[in-house]
Amino acid sequence: AQTVTQSQPEMSVQEAETVTLSCTYDTSENNYYLFWYKQPPSRQMILVIRQEAYKQQNATENRFSVNFQKAAKSFSLKISDSQLGDTAMYFCAFIGDDKIIFGKGTRLHILP
Amino acid sequence: ETGVTQSPTHLIKTRGQQVTLRCSSQSGHNTVSWYQQALGQGPQFIFQYYREEENGRGNFPPRFSGLQFPNYSSELNVNALELDDSALYLCASSERPTEAFFGQGTRLTVV
Repeated sequence: AQTVTQSQPEMSVQEAETVTLSCTYDTSENNYYLFWYKQPPSRQMILVIRQEAYKQQNATENRFSVNFQKAAKSFSLKISDSQLGDTAMYFCAFIGDDKIIFGKGTRLHILP
Repeated sequence: ETGVTQSPTHLIKTRGQQVTLRCSSQSGHNTVSWYQQALGQGPQFIFQYYREEENGRGNFPPRFSGLQFPNYSSELNVNALELDDSALYLCASSERPTEAFFGQGTRLTVV
């Protein structure tokens, strides 16, 4: 079975600090994609960052970067210089059989 | 803005009723997927349509059904509504599975 696990239901950090959100997954596939999605109170799911499993290099998008450990099936998200607008639910997700499998999410609060 | 629009944004229905939710996909996207997101949970895959054919289904009963139209817009129909069907329903359109764009969702409340 393909699963995604996020062990941190909720986190809070001060503005401008760095925060890391954890994610582990399970799959028997060798080639796959991993994602972090952000869901603000507006409810729209927004893609933050994407990682292709066959690429060794960790993906980065401005203040967002991942630590992808394929052997450990770990895919954490680091947010640098956190901003108030980063407050949202964050979902780790995995593409399996053309459908997206989501974790349960981490609610992130950025405090002023 | 993703170009994916869902209607209505909110809906209240009575147990046993039927409901239809709509999704207009982004231009050029031939695949539409539907997800159910219960409160405090991650989205769960319901089904996917590719060029008007169902192309994969999650663990949902047959009273959840769908359609995709020639312009690639889509409907999700739920019959015999149950209280547990109360959730946010998300539609995602894509040209490739690795680039899904989500709408803002429809919040369904069953009373």
